[in-house]
Amino acid sequence: GENVGLHLPTLSVQEGDNSIINCAYSNSASDYFIWYKQESGKGPQFIIDIRSNMDKRQGQRVTVLLNKTVKHLSLQIAATQPGDSAVYFCAESRGSGGSNYKLTFGKGTLLTVNP
Amino acid sequence: EPEVTQTPSHQVTQMGQEVILRCVPISNHLYFYWYRQILGQKVEFLVSFYNNEISEKSEIFDDQFSVERPDGSNFTLKIRSTKLEDSAMYFCASSEAGGLGEQYFGPGTRLTVT
Repeated sequence: GENVGLHLPTLSVQEGDNSIINCAYSNSASDYFIWYKQESGKGPQFIIDIRSNMDKRQGQRVTVLLNKTVKHLSLQIAATQPGDSAVYFCAESRGSGGSNYKLTFGKGTLLTVNP
Repeated sequence: EPEVTQTPSHQVTQMGQEVILRCVPISNHLYFYWYRQILGQKVEFLVSFYNNEISEKSEIFDDQFSVERPDGSNFTLKIRSTKLEDSAMYFCASSEAGGLGEQYFGPGTRLTVT
């Protein structure tokens, strides 16, 4: 099938550098976006989210940028640390009226931080 | 910090057998989800559940799959007759609010069908 053996995009950075991970989403109706971090053998861990009425949101060492015009999402990690090494997934959702909507995940980017 | 738990961590079963994967969502959460991740691939939505009924399901979630909240704490995923292609990591998630809200994921159950 077309998804067999998907090759993850990879990003390799030096400890202390800033990292930028990009994601393109497909559904123009999506209005909620999340970045998850997944370490080997573990479940996805929430990092930061952003709603479609914003174009930037900052957390601790992380910033998410949303460009709805080109349907692009990015995650910036400042002063990257070895503990940041993981696969990073963007996910999108659309919701209204309080219904619980599914998350649609991107294929992930493998971030490797070299000491 | 409260967390979603899942058991078992690894389940090996023979093709055609029934399996039940168990999850304990965060206690004050009302919305529950199952996702799966085939090795090396992205996480895929299976089903969402609220107020004791399915809210939405994907095309993967066919008649062989079912979910249940048998008591006030557990949320289960049953696969009636497993196939080789069901081998994957299965993640349970829960959220406090529906719609636009953070979903907290469990550590996953690795299902291996032989």
